[in-house]
Amino acid sequence: RKEVEQDPGPFNVPEGATVAFNCTYSNSASQSFFWYRQDCRKEPKLLMSVYSSGNEDGRFTAQLNRASQYISLLIRDSKLSDSATYLCVAGPMDSSYKLIFGSGTRLLVRP
Amino acid sequence: DTAVSQTPKYLVTQMGNDKSIKCEQNLGHDTMYWYKQDSKKFLKIMFSYNNKELIINETVPNRFSPKSPDKAHLNLHINSLELGDSAVYFCASSQDPAREQFFGPGTRLTVL
Repeated sequence: RKEVEQDPGPFNVPEGATVAFNCTYSNSASQSFFWYRQDCRKEPKLLMSVYSSGNEDGRFTAQLNRASQYISLLIRDSKLSDSATYLCVAGPMDSSYKLIFGSGTRLLVRP
Repeated sequence: DTAVSQTPKYLVTQMGNDKSIKCEQNLGHDTMYWYKQDSKKFLKIMFSYNNKELIINETVPNRFSPKSPDKAHLNLHINSLELGDSAVYFCASSQDPAREQFFGPGTRLTVL
C-alpha cells in the first residue's frame, strides 16, 4: 500500500461546480498534512496546511479525519484557473523527517 | 523578492558528464531539500539538510552528492550523468522538517 494515496483522476467538472478529492495515508504517526497545487511544468505551490481537524480558505476547505486516516479537499464554485494537479502530503512520520507526497489528482475545469 | 531560487532552469548535457545545480533560499529557513520529479510526475525526496546537517539521504546513487555551504544554500552535484537522470529537480525549504515546504522553480535536466 502506498504511504499516501490519491485518485489520479482526471476530474472533469464545469465551471461553478463543487468538487472533492480524498487522500488516504498509511501511517497513523503522521502529524502534518498539506495540500499543494502543481500547474503543468511548474513547481508545487502550497494551497493549505491542515494541522488540526480542518482548515478553510475562501472556496477551499480541507478536512482531516485521523481515525480513518484520510484528508479531503473541497473546492466550491470551481474556476477555470483551478485546473491543476492537487498533491496531498503527509508527514513527518516517526523520526524520518520526510514529508510524503501523493502522486496527485488532476482537475480539469471546463467552461 | 523572498523565494527559493534555482539555477540553471534548464540543463541539457551528454551522458557521462558532471553537472551541478544550485539552490538558494532567502526565507530564513533552517531546512532545505532536493526532490526529483520524473516523467510520471511522482515527487520523490532525495536529500534534506537541517542547519547544514544531512538528515535525509534516500536511496540515491552515490553519483549524486549534495553540499550545503550554509543554511541558505543547498547544491546538488551529479557525476557521470545517465539517461535515467533526466527529470525535473526541485529544491525546497521549510522552517523545520514538520512544516510546509516552499519550492524553487525547478531545474529540467535532459541527458542525451
